[in-house]
Amino acid sequence: AQTVTQSQPEMSVQEAETVTLSCTYDTSENNYYLFWYKQPPSRQMILVIRQEAYKQQNATENRFSVNFQKAAKSFSLKISDSQLGDTAMYFCASIIQGAQKLVFGQGTRLTINP
Amino acid sequence: KAGVTQTPRYLIKTRGQQVTLSCSPISGHRSVSWYQQTPGQGLQFLFEYFSETQRNKGNFPGRFSGRQFSNSRSEMNVSTLELGDSALYLCASSLGESGGYTFGSGTRLTVV
Repeated sequence: AQTVTQSQPEMSVQEAETVTLSCTYDTSENNYYLFWYKQPPSRQMILVIRQEAYKQQNATENRFSVNFQKAAKSFSLKISDSQLGDTAMYFCASIIQGAQKLVFGQGTRLTINP
Repeated sequence: KAGVTQTPRYLIKTRGQQVTLSCSPISGHRSVSWYQQTPGQGLQFLFEYFSETQRNKGNFPGRFSGRQFSNSRSEMNVSTLELGDSALYLCASSLGESGGYTFGSGTRLTVV
């Protein structure tokens, strides 16, 4: 079975600080993809960053980067120079190639304080 | 380009009724998935369609059904509504798994 675990229900940091959100996953498959999604109060899930499991290089998108540790099945998200607009629920998700089904973690509520 | 459009945004129904939710994917996206989001269970996969065929289905009772039309638009239907069906229903479309899924803003269903 495919599972995703986010151990931090809530986090809070000051604007401009760096914050890291944790995610671990479990799968017996070799071909899969990992994602971080952001869900602000508007409810729309927004793709933040994605990582192919076969790529060793960590993905980066502007202020967002991941630390992908395949052996440890860990996929953390680092947000640098955090901004008020980063306040949202963050979901870690995985999908096995060919399964057409995203499996989500329980989410981390991130608050950026001014 | 237009995003994923879900209608309606809000819906209030009575127990025992049925409901149909609609999703229009991004132009060119042939895969459409549905997810249920509740505070207790989080985000759970309902089903996925590609070219009018259901390729995968989550662990939900038969009261939950869906379909996809030739223009890739999708509908999901819930019959004999129960209070526990109150949730945010999210639709997502994709070109392929590796690129990730683009979500709509969801339909908030309240069953009273």
